[in-house]
Amino acid sequence: DAMVIQNPRYQVTQFGKPVTLSCSQTLNHNVMYWYQQKSSQAPKLLFHYYDKDFNNEADTPDNFQSRRPNTSFCFLDIRSPGLGDTAMYLCATDKGLAGHNEQFFGPGTRLTVL
Amino acid sequence: GENVEQHPSTLSVQEGDSAVIKCTYSDSASNYFPWYKQELGKRPQLIIDIRSNVGEKKDQRIAVTLNKTAKHFSLHITETQPEDSAVYFCAATRTGFQKLVFGTGTRLLVSP
Repeated sequence: DAMVIQNPRYQVTQFGKPVTLSCSQTLNHNVMYWYQQKSSQAPKLLFHYYDKDFNNEADTPDNFQSRRPNTSFCFLDIRSPGLGDTAMYLCATDKGLAGHNEQFFGPGTRLTVL
Repeated sequence: GENVEQHPSTLSVQEGDSAVIKCTYSDSASNYFPWYKQELGKRPQLIIDIRSNVGEKKDQRIAVTLNKTAKHFSLHITETQPEDSAVYFCAATRTGFQKLVFGTGTRLLVSP
């Protein structure tokens, strides 16, 4: 089945130790998103790619970076995680075409920073 | 930019009752309004959506209504069941590529 896959599902890291989260999709969608979701809050958009075109949200900390080496994969790099970065990280995709806005979410990576 | 407000933040109902969640948006150009259900520890999943060229859409026990003039839209769940318990998020955007703007979420609890 076509889907959005995230690895790992759970990640524990130490304060300041870099971590990379990965997302892959078999939907062949043009757009990939990274969201941060803290407990009892709505998903907060960090950035997105439209094909290779990178778009950063104004309030996304510099500590967060992203790479999209090809259509199928997208990575979230947290260079120096802080305790406040403990959250669920959700990857999502959509077609990026007019009239097709449904976003498909991956299962998320639950990151804990100790 | 778009801003979406959602109410109530929590909603408790008895099984079989109806539940209504309301959202308002600020950008009159927004024309696509999805609703996502998120169970504890799981991904958000689209349950229904509506575009601005219609006023109401229904899918079994779930319906969404849209009032473009007042810039608000609502989710209606009838004959609620315990498995409807989850957090529900509304969102708004424009068609053509535009990012979703989410509401703050409503925690729905359906008691048997």
